[in-house]
Amino acid sequence: KQEVTQIPAALSVPEGENLVLNCSFTDSAIYNLQWFRQDPGKGLTSLLLIQSSQREQTSGRLNASLDKSSGRSTLYIAASQPGDSATYLCAVRTTSGTYKYIFGTGTRLKVLA
Amino acid sequence: DVKVTQSSRYLVKRTGEKVFLECVQDMDHENMFWYRQDPGLGLRLIYFSYDVKMKEKGDIPEGYSVSREKKERFSLILESASTNQTSMYLCARGTANGVVFGQGTRLTVV
Repeated sequence: KQEVTQIPAALSVPEGENLVLNCSFTDSAIYNLQWFRQDPGKGLTSLLLIQSSQREQTSGRLNASLDKSSGRSTLYIAASQPGDSATYLCAVRTTSGTYKYIFGTGTRLKVLA
Repeated sequence: DVKVTQSSRYLVKRTGEKVFLECVQDMDHENMFWYRQDPGLGLRLIYFSYDVKMKEKGDIPEGYSVSREKKERFSLILESASTNQTSMYLCARGTANGVVFGQGTRLTVV
């Protein structure tokens, strides 16, 4: 059974710092992996999607990488800002049969001004 | 942009009530999902549907049912609401390009 883990559960950094969020999954047979941002009390906003054949995706200050063989993905945030404060979640889409998405429990990020 | 719309942002219901949470997508996607989100437990899949009138149980289907009479609408039903169903409920639609979520419904059962 696919399991997705995100460590650390919470992180506080000073403004301007570059940071890395981690996502691990137990079954390398994934269709894609997606990173989301969630603000308190709100829904999930998609940040980046990496297909299983890709190694990384970039959007602005965000860069996500995927290493299927080791079951890991990282989300790199450059020059962090207080507005980046949110919970970040990763999800993998399964490949077998009728697919579904398995989520990690998220990393709660606080960027201090 | 594809939109997934949930009918209510906040709901307060009484124990024992039958509760309907509605979700509508504005494109012709087959796959739709209902999750609940609780602190420390993350998102847990309740039910999903891959076509009209088709449904599959997720990880925590007990106490819930779903309805998909039309492709664009996927409803979650709490047959007899209980206080342990107080949670954030999130509807989503999926395609090969990823999953898109609605804004969520915060349900409180009193």
